[in-house]
Amino acid sequence: GENVEQHPSTLSVQEGDSAVIKCTYSDSASNYFPWYKQELGKRPQLIIDIRSNVGEKKDQRIAVTLNKTAKHFSLHITETQPEDSAVYFCAAPYQAGTALIFGKGTTLSVSS
Amino acid sequence: DTEVTQTPKHLVMGMTNKKSLKCEQHMGHRAMYWYKQKAKKPPELMFVYSYEKLSINESVPSRFSPECPNSSLLNLHLHALQPEDSALYLCASTPLGQSYGYTFGSGTRLTVV
Repeated sequence: GENVEQHPSTLSVQEGDSAVIKCTYSDSASNYFPWYKQELGKRPQLIIDIRSNVGEKKDQRIAVTLNKTAKHFSLHITETQPEDSAVYFCAAPYQAGTALIFGKGTTLSVSS
Repeated sequence: DTEVTQTPKHLVMGMTNKKSLKCEQHMGHRAMYWYKQKAKKPPELMFVYSYEKLSINESVPSRFSPECPNSSLLNLHLHALQPEDSALYLCASTPLGQSYGYTFGSGTRLTVV
């Protein structure tokens, strides 16, 4: 089945800096890669996703890139703000189905 | 309605109690999921229902018993839980056949005493 590895586990940046979080997956049949943001005590919220027929997708300060050959995808956040502080999870489909399995998460801290 | 509703939001139960968690959606999604999330950990997949039938059980102990009585409702029956089962239980749903549009409920915070 699919295995998703995420790095780093913690990331501290200064406000205005960029942050990059990377994930690798094992199942070459996987075709959908979302990123979730989870604030303390709240549910995971989808922030951006990418499908396997696209190499990059951008939404304002957030972008996701996908390298299918290398089986990795990355989340890029530019001009970070304190409200970006949260835990970020990458995910990929499980057993080529619809259920998602998640990476271990990255705790992002943005200091002002 | 674009929400997944979970009740109760908080639950404290003893190890000998029987309780149930409820998840409801009215988006016409035919795939529904239960996840367990411990503090500072990712959501862990427990069960997957497709067309109201259990399709994946991730080796979950029998003290957790899922039920999908209709296309809008998913229950998780709890019995003889252990303190280590204390966690946030999340429900999610998607249209059948795709991972896109994965919608999480707000979760039930379960404490087993």
